[in-house]
Amino acid sequence: NAGVIQTPRHKVTGKGQEATLWCEPISGHSAVFWYRQTIVQGLEFLTYFRNQAPIDDSGMPKERFSAQMPNQSHSTLKIQSTQPQDSAVYLCASRLGGREQYFGPGTRLTVL
Amino acid sequence: GEKVEQHESTLSVREGDSAVINCTYTDTASSYFPWYKQEAGKSLHFVIDIRSNVDRKQSQRLIVLLDKKAKRFSLHITATQPEDSAIYFCAASSNYNQGKLIFGQGTKLSIKP
Repeated sequence: NAGVIQTPRHKVTGKGQEATLWCEPISGHSAVFWYRQTIVQGLEFLTYFRNQAPIDDSGMPKERFSAQMPNQSHSTLKIQSTQPQDSAVYLCASRLGGREQYFGPGTRLTVL
Repeated sequence: GEKVEQHESTLSVREGDSAVINCTYTDTASSYFPWYKQEAGKSLHFVIDIRSNVDRKQSQRLIVLLDKKAKRFSLHITATQPEDSAIYFCAASSNYNQGKLIFGQGTKLSIKP
């Protein structure tokens, strides 16, 4: 069991560029969550899929952020026109049924 | 919306003593309360959880207490060891949120020899 896999581990973009973050959940886990972590805001929920269907995107900034789960083996978080305030560690987690969420190592996004 | 407050931002205890981290929540519908540990430069690692149908749960040196009336829960780490040093996050989730976790701000626990 490799755990939740996130790629890339680090990404640096220029202001206004696009960033795509990838997450591979633990095999068999039906739910995938995205969070982001900053020193100032702490851990914030972004969005959640269950059985590939979007369930809750209440934490997603509406204009530039989007997430998809095209199949059960991966999810993507896309940020268009990145801004310095998007700099954060983006964490993906997966869950089997109603049990605990397992977090990946995160992608550290730096927007210059 | 739901808020989770973690009362201690830092906590320092001597090795072998007990550490207690306290959290409160606002949503009476909250029913699931996990705790996560984050070591320096690493991601979140699940340590223990409690559901609202019980008020106490123990796993080895970890004890979680839940007081639903006060909307308060706490993590007790007994016989602390140097490897317990980390940032600990409490979180809450309700049935209607279907698993979305709302996190506290974190407590940096230092174990001193």
